[in-house]
Amino acid sequence: DVKVTQSSRYLVKRTGEKVFLECVQDMDHENMFWYRQDPGLGLRLIYFSYDVKMKEKGDIPEGYSVSREKKERFSLILESASTNQTSMYLCASRSGGPKALFFGPGTRLTVL
Amino acid sequence: RKEVEQDPGPFNVPEGATVAFNCTYSNSASQSFFWYRQDCRKEPKLLMSVYSSGNEDGRFTAQLNRASQYISLLIRDSKLSDSATYLCVDGGSQGNLIFGKGTKLSVKP
Repeated sequence: DVKVTQSSRYLVKRTGEKVFLECVQDMDHENMFWYRQDPGLGLRLIYFSYDVKMKEKGDIPEGYSVSREKKERFSLILESASTNQTSMYLCASRSGGPKALFFGPGTRLTVL
Repeated sequence: RKEVEQDPGPFNVPEGATVAFNCTYSNSASQSFFWYRQDCRKEPKLLMSVYSSGNEDGRFTAQLNRASQYISLLIRDSKLSDSATYLCVDGGSQGNLIFGKGTKLSVKP
């Protein structure tokens, strides 16, 4: 079974803090994604990556950056957390082509 | 803008009922579609993939109508444990996926 893990299930940070969310997948998938999910808004794509050191902006990249130094790991960085970044963050991966996504368990981030 | 539209529901049905969800998509070039199930405060989990005209897995049947650009999910003999939000997903033609906002199903005893 594909396994996607995320570093934290719950996280509480203060406004202005730098926040790192880590995601690791164990199936040698080329593609990795970061989404946030908010009530009524559905899943929104923040960034994705097709390969190591490659990244593409999604629909809502403002306030976020990403890093993919190794194939199995994709990190999401909030440079200066703000209260409107309080959300559920979901990492996902898939192999190349129009294949299904596999999600991690999510990180519920609260910014105070 | 490429989109996927779903009826948000909620669909409230009794146990044993048959329920159907429809989903429309705008990208005529898309090659694959998926149905995900998401329980409250959990991650989405793959329920079914739809690559051609349809797919069946036990009580669940997914159908694809390319001419009308819609996908459907049929659940027969609903169980209490089927209560969840069902996400329709366009697998895209260039890599990125497009998610619908989900349809909420509540199965009552």
